[in-house]
Amino acid sequence: KNEVEQSPQNLTAQEGEFITINCSYSVGISALHWLQQHPGGGIVSLFMLSSGKKKHGRLIATINIQEKHSSLHITASHPRDSAVYICAVLGGSNYKLTFGKGTLLTVNP
Amino acid sequence: ETGVTQTPRHLVMGMTNKKSLKCEQHLGHNAMYWYKQSAKKPLELMFVYNFKEQTENNSVPSRFSPECPNSSHLFLHLHTLQPEDSALYLCASSQDPAGGWTGELFFGEGSRLTVL
Repeated sequence: KNEVEQSPQNLTAQEGEFITINCSYSVGISALHWLQQHPGGGIVSLFMLSSGKKKHGRLIATINIQEKHSSLHITASHPRDSAVYICAVLGGSNYKLTFGKGTLLTVNP
Repeated sequence: ETGVTQTPRHLVMGMTNKKSLKCEQHLGHNAMYWYKQSAKKPLELMFVYNFKEQTENNSVPSRFSPECPNSSHLFLHLHTLQPEDSALYLCASSQDPAGGWTGELFFGEGSRLTVL
């Protein structure tokens, strides 16, 4: 069974701080996704990774396949970054998408 | 027109009611999904339809009945629900390229269901 663990569960930061959210998984995967869910409910895709590192604006995502670990970084955080960030992996014996429980990020002005 | 549209956004129903959730995707994708999101729990896959054919039923109780009349529309019919079925129900779509699915999903805004 593929488990996806995210840490921390909740994170509160001051505007401008550097944020790191972690994701660990237990089986071999073909892709890892970072998703963002705002209070309204809709989920949008931020990154899809299979190796290395990707950057989009103030967001950076990295993955270490050997260690089965990924991190999402937010530089110069802003209150509009407040959301739930969800890690999801594609893989395992049943080739399914498995989701973490999410990390609730609150950025205060 | 947004990519994946869900209606209604909010629904309150009694345990004896019958209601339906609707999802429409405007992306030309071939697969559609229903997910359930409960507080403090990961997203749970309920149903998958690929080219209108149901390819996944993740041991969902029969009080949830999906319908996919075509590749663009997906319904979730609800009847005799329980209070523990209260949750956010998310619809998603995807396109399977020749090289295989990458896991990328396009989600709707969700339907917040409260069962009294």
